[in-house]
Amino acid sequence: DIVMTQSPDSLAVSLGERATINCKSSQGVLYSSNNENYLAWYQQKPGQPPKLLIYWASIRESGVPDRFSGSGSGTDFTLTISSLQAEDVAVYYCQQYYNIPFTFGPGTKVDI
Amino acid sequence: EVQLLESGGGLVQPGGSLRLSCAAPGFTLSNYAMGWVRQPPGKGLEWVSVISGSGDRTFYADPVKGRFTISRDQSKNTLYLQMNSLRAEDTALYYCAKGKGGSPYDVLDTWGQGTMVVVSS
Repeated sequence: DIVMTQSPDSLAVSLGERATINCKSSQGVLYSSNNENYLAWYQQKPGQPPKLLIYWASIRESGVPDRFSGSGSGTDFTLTISSLQAEDVAVYYCQQYYNIPFTFGPGTKVDI
Repeated sequence: EVQLLESGGGLVQPGGSLRLSCAAPGFTLSNYAMGWVRQPPGKGLEWVSVISGSGDRTFYADPVKGRFTISRDQSKNTLYLQMNSLRAEDTALYYCAKGKGGSPYDVLDTWGQGTMVVVSS
């Protein structure tokens, strides 16, 4: 199984400041045939289901504010919130969908 | 509007069975891969199973392989998760989720609200 790790476990950021979350996979998730990284980011607010933010490592899902961006390739990925808003308080998960089982990272809690 | 409506959760004794359902009003379920993801209370997300849009491929996480079966009924536009030989460690909120495309190797772009399964004597 591909093991996903995230850092930090939690972070507190001031309103309007940048938040950066890192995700690392135990093996590469870049598929050479289509040059896509099979890596997604989800946001989960308390009492709510996860919401897709980013897929193919850097493609923003429709309706997601452009302050959210994803980057990275191979085994190392980053989710950046460029200017944190109060509604961004949540737990953020990365997930690989390259190999069965499609494993999630442990989550990073973002607070103000 | 794409909606996923889970049902079927509840309290069951160890060794028992439950069948979860996920209705999909608003879109044709068989056009997309569909999956189940669970979340134990206070913990992170755990991928459970996926079925391809064509329905000919199914995959499972090792902890549920041989005990859980994913399936769908096209006439009812509903996804199912048959869970047998339930264990305490299966206790979780079970989410149904829709793939962005028909391949099982795709991101889950829409999630239901979840249905809670508690395995306890």
